[in-house]
Amino acid sequence: SQTIHQWPATLVQPVGSPLSLECTVEGTSNPNLYWYRQAAGRGLQLLFYSVGIGQISSEVPQNLSASRPQDRQFILSSKKLLLSDSGFYLCAYKRHRLGGYTFGSGTRLTVV
Amino acid sequence: GESVGLHLPTLSVQEGDNSIINCAYSNSASDYFIWYKQESGKGPQFIIDIRSNMDKRQGQRVTVLLNKTVKHLSLQIAATQPGDSAVYFCAENGGGSNYKLTFGKGTLLTVNP
Repeated sequence: SQTIHQWPATLVQPVGSPLSLECTVEGTSNPNLYWYRQAAGRGLQLLFYSVGIGQISSEVPQNLSASRPQDRQFILSSKKLLLSDSGFYLCAYKRHRLGGYTFGSGTRLTVV
Repeated sequence: GESVGLHLPTLSVQEGDNSIINCAYSNSASDYFIWYKQESGKGPQFIIDIRSNMDKRQGQRVTVLLNKTVKHLSLQIAATQPGDSAVYFCAENGGGSNYKLTFGKGTLLTVNP
C-alpha cells in the first residue's frame, strides 16, 4: 500500500533561520509530488510541484524553494525564514492523471 | 482558481440533519472532481470522487452531484454527526492539466449536538 510521511509535525523557528521540511512516499514509483501551504482558516495554496527527479515547478514567487533528489523524496527549504512563512505546510502525491492527491499529515511552522 | 486569500464560508447544522455543501467550478474542460475533508490540524482526506461522465455518485452516507451545465458540484452528507465537523474542499482536474488539482475555497461544517 502507498503511504506518505511528512516531518516534523510542528516547528518553531526564529526569523532568519533556515528551513528544511521533508516528505517521502512509499509503495509507488514516479509519483507527482506537491507542496501546499495553508494559512489559518484559509484555502490551499500550491507552492511547488514535481513530475520527476530534479524537475520542480514553482507556482508563486516566494522565499521558499523545493528539491526532489530522489524519486520519492520532496524537500521544502528556505535559507532565511520570514514571519510571513508561518503556516501549515502539506505535502501530497498523485499517482494517475485521473486521481486525487493523498496528503501527508502536515507541518505546522511558526516563525517567531 | 484557488481562492486562498478568502475566509471560509461556514455551514452549521444540527446532529442528524442532512448537510449540503456546494462548490462552483470554472473550467468546463474539467473531467474529474473530488471532495476532501480536513479536520483541524490534519491533512485533507479523500471522501468521494466523480468523473464528468456521471452526474451522481453515492458512498457511505455521502453523495456527490455534478451539474456540468451550470458547473456546480455538491456534497450531501446524510444524518450528519459531530465527527463530520471539518472543512470540506472540492477539487477539479482540468482536462488540459495532467498534474494539478484546482481546489475550491472550502466550507467549514459545524455540527451541533
